[in-house]
Amino acid sequence: SQQGEEDPQALSIQEGENATMNCSYKTSINNLQWYRQNSGRGLVHLILIRSNEREKHSGRLRVTLDTSKKSSSLLITASRAADTASYFCATPHSGGGADGLTFGKGTHLIIQP
Amino acid sequence: NAGVTQTPKFRVLKTGQSMTLLCAQDMNHEYMYWYRQDPGMGLRLIHYSVGEGTTAKGEVPDGYNVSRLKKQNFLLGLESAAPSQTSVYFCASSAARGYRGLNEQYFGPGTRLTVT
Repeated sequence: SQQGEEDPQALSIQEGENATMNCSYKTSINNLQWYRQNSGRGLVHLILIRSNEREKHSGRLRVTLDTSKKSSSLLITASRAADTASYFCATPHSGGGADGLTFGKGTHLIIQP
Repeated sequence: NAGVTQTPKFRVLKTGQSMTLLCAQDMNHEYMYWYRQDPGMGLRLIHYSVGEGTTAKGEVPDGYNVSRLKKQNFLLGLESAAPSQTSVYFCASSAARGYRGLNEQYFGPGTRLTVT
């Protein structure tokens, strides 16, 4: 079953604009992670936010977590063509995630030059 | 430091054939995972291992077997391939968890398998 569900499924914006993707999940979590997948490649870890954190930054990425609403958002500021990719949120099957992650279906982001 | 590598990159099988996918990591990670990704879908966990000699079932284990004889390798086997197993297979690894551990997973480039 899908734990995380991203919204929107697809997003097309102009280079330089900000991109926001959302993720909703169903059960209590220890942490939530965001990954990027370029076409034909494996996933690359972007950022992890723990359940006791509300916001986290990494370069042009900003992730928020609202455990009361069971939702997270990923903001990419000043988008670049190289940001074109699919973005997935992932939550642990249990605990910290030693028994694997559950991924959503992803948001496909296209940055128009 | 190659990270996580997978062989082969592509494979075409006929229904009923068998094959083994190899995953290797050089980061001394305890945990390893096999996922499959189907069009328009997120990744689904097939099997995982939390240490050498141990394996466990994930979300979609039917039709697959795994072995972790060495810490750095995790093998995924298909004994009798079916068209429903046409997919892209990804291996991942992560360090053992702890309070300060990041628990992020490092992924290989994937194996694209087609079963006809």
